[in-house]
Amino acid sequence: SQTIHQWPATLVQPVGSPLSLECTVEGTSNPNLYWYRQAAGRGLQLLFYSVGIGQISSEVPQNLSASRPQDRQFILSSKKLLLSDSGFYLCAWSVSGDVQETQYFGPGTRLLVL
Amino acid sequence: AQSVTQPDIHITVSEGASLELRCNYSYGATPYLFWYVQSPGQGLQLLLKYFSGDTLVQGIKGFEAEFKRSQSSFNLRKPSVHWSDAAEYFCAVGVGTYKYIFGTGTRLKVLA
Repeated sequence: SQTIHQWPATLVQPVGSPLSLECTVEGTSNPNLYWYRQAAGRGLQLLFYSVGIGQISSEVPQNLSASRPQDRQFILSSKKLLLSDSGFYLCAWSVSGDVQETQYFGPGTRLLVL
Repeated sequence: AQSVTQPDIHITVSEGASLELRCNYSYGATPYLFWYVQSPGQGLQLLLKYFSGDTLVQGIKGFEAEFKRSQSSFNLRKPSVHWSDAAEYFCAVGVGTYKYIFGTGTRLKVLA
């Protein structure tokens, strides 16, 4: 069966520091991968998605970037964190090729920028 | 414009009572609809989905949802709520192969 991991689970970082959040998927090959941010009372906002190694699409221009160095690894990064980057970050995966793909979510990373 | 509306931000029910969570969508094409549940501090778990066919969809944990095209709705129901159902529930519509639009969520509180 497929599983998705995210780490760290919680992170407290000062403003201006760099960020690296990691997501890995097991039990499937060539998944589509997603990064979402969840803010209280605002649902989920899609930040990036990837259909393959090195292929990243950005949905919202911002202070963050994403990379996919391996088939089942997705990384969310920032060079300098802002206070507004605080939130709950969720990684998700789906089986590529379906007419409408079903997304499965990881446990999330809570980021607090101080 | 494409959108998903969950009009109830908070709902409180007693344990054993029935539950209905509302979801309305705006989308011009055939909708693909999802309900997810999120426990505090956790990721989202898929409860059920509707792609086509029978408009009454059964999911996990005793939940079901009914797609009503005429009302642009996909309401989630459970006949008897358990204390462990306390969580936040999100409705979503698939608007392309990769993309979802999520509602802002309904937080469910269950009274003992």
